[in-house]
Amino acid sequence: GNSVTQMEGPVTLSEEAFLTINCTYTATGYPSLFWYVQYPGEGLQLLLKATKADDKGSNKGFEATYRKETTSFHLEKGSVQVSDSAVYFCALSGSSSNTGKLIFGQGTTLQVKP
Amino acid sequence: KAGVTQTPRYLIKTRGQQVTLSCSPISGHRSVSWYQQTPGQGLQFLFEYFSETQRNKGNFPGRFSGRQFSNSRSEMNVSTLELGDSALYLCASGPRGGPYNEQFFGPGTRLTVL
Repeated sequence: GNSVTQMEGPVTLSEEAFLTINCTYTATGYPSLFWYVQYPGEGLQLLLKATKADDKGSNKGFEATYRKETTSFHLEKGSVQVSDSAVYFCALSGSSSNTGKLIFGQGTTLQVKP
Repeated sequence: KAGVTQTPRYLIKTRGQQVTLSCSPISGHRSVSWYQQTPGQGLQFLFEYFSETQRNKGNFPGRFSGRQFSNSRSEMNVSTLELGDSALYLCASGPRGGPYNEQFFGPGTRLTVL
């Protein structure tokens, strides 16, 4: 079945460090890929998305490129801030059906220290 | 534009009781999905509704049910509550449903079963 695997957390970085959170997926067909972020006590916020191979999603300094050859969608940011501390979820949808059902990875906690 | 709203935000129930959670999507959105979030299982898909029709259902027992009304508002019901049903229940809405469209999440309802 379809699945998403993220790197284990927590990831602890100093402010202004470079961030990479790895995400790989298994899916049939051509899924859409998403990154969501969850701040403490809140729901999920869409961070960025990509709907076809080689698409690059970007938002708030975060980027991720849909790599079909490596089935990956790694999240990157050049310089993290304390306010980026949150849980990040990689997700896919729609690989072989016309529904919006999202399949999530297990989440990666990011802690940024001043 | 107001975001997705969920009521109540917090609930405490005892085993064997039933509970109804409510979700109001963003105005104009016709798709509503529900997810369960627990520390052990992560984010798991419950249901997806579009124009009052259940489009997809996750792998949950029949105690979990849902519906969508003509104004796109949705409710989910859990009967005969078990301790393991304690979770954050998230609702998400989308403008058209389907795999390529982003979903916008509400803040969730935190259910505690004692």
